[in-house]
Amino acid sequence: QKEVEQNSGPLSVPEGAIASLNCTYSDRGSQSFFWYRQYSGKSPELIMSIYSNGDKEDGRFTAQLNKASQYVSLLIRDSQPSDSATYLCAVKLGSSNYKLTFGKGTLLTVNP
Amino acid sequence: EPEVTQTPSHQVTQMGQEVILRCVPISNHLYFYWYRQILGQKVEFLVSFYNNEISEKSEIFDDQFSVERPDGSNFTLKIRSTKLEDSAMYFCASSPGWYTDTQYFGPGTRLTVL
Repeated sequence: QKEVEQNSGPLSVPEGAIASLNCTYSDRGSQSFFWYRQYSGKSPELIMSIYSNGDKEDGRFTAQLNKASQYVSLLIRDSQPSDSATYLCAVKLGSSNYKLTFGKGTLLTVNP
Repeated sequence: EPEVTQTPSHQVTQMGQEVILRCVPISNHLYFYWYRQILGQKVEFLVSFYNNEISEKSEIFDDQFSVERPDGSNFTLKIRSTKLEDSAMYFCASSPGWYTDTQYFGPGTRLTVL
């Protein structure tokens, strides 16, 4: 089983809609979870981190964590064309003190 | 807002040559990292560095690679005897370490090995 898995997409949503991005991870002992956004040819840009079960909201973004199901998601409300990018799920797996393990990313396209 | 910076933005080298990629982490961050991303693939961890020593490294980070913090601000990745498959984007990241483990990434260096 791959350590961090994401649907590669592409996920296409109309402007103003909610985009839902999903990620599963293999290590039940994982404690730190991050969502990054990466525009083509650019570096990962932090969106938010989440450590506890439940929801965490920051502006139009909501991260959701369910450790029992080993699942973390990101909701983007009122999606804008500028949100079109690849969204990377990164997990500090339980076996590591420092290393982030990334998923392959989900390509999101927001259509005007 | 403080940022991680990296130089050069693009490095072209011949196979077998040595390259040094440079990074200036965010001031007062304590943990430093190198990642790489081969075109079309996922971001992969190479190494983490804390208190002037390697704290964790991946299987990719073999004897061909080394890291150094030569002074109070720079953090470097040296790749000896580059191979074609070393062509990738190399990202430096840093994290504060004392109140969050969030890692902040620099803009990257695109390494092309010919």
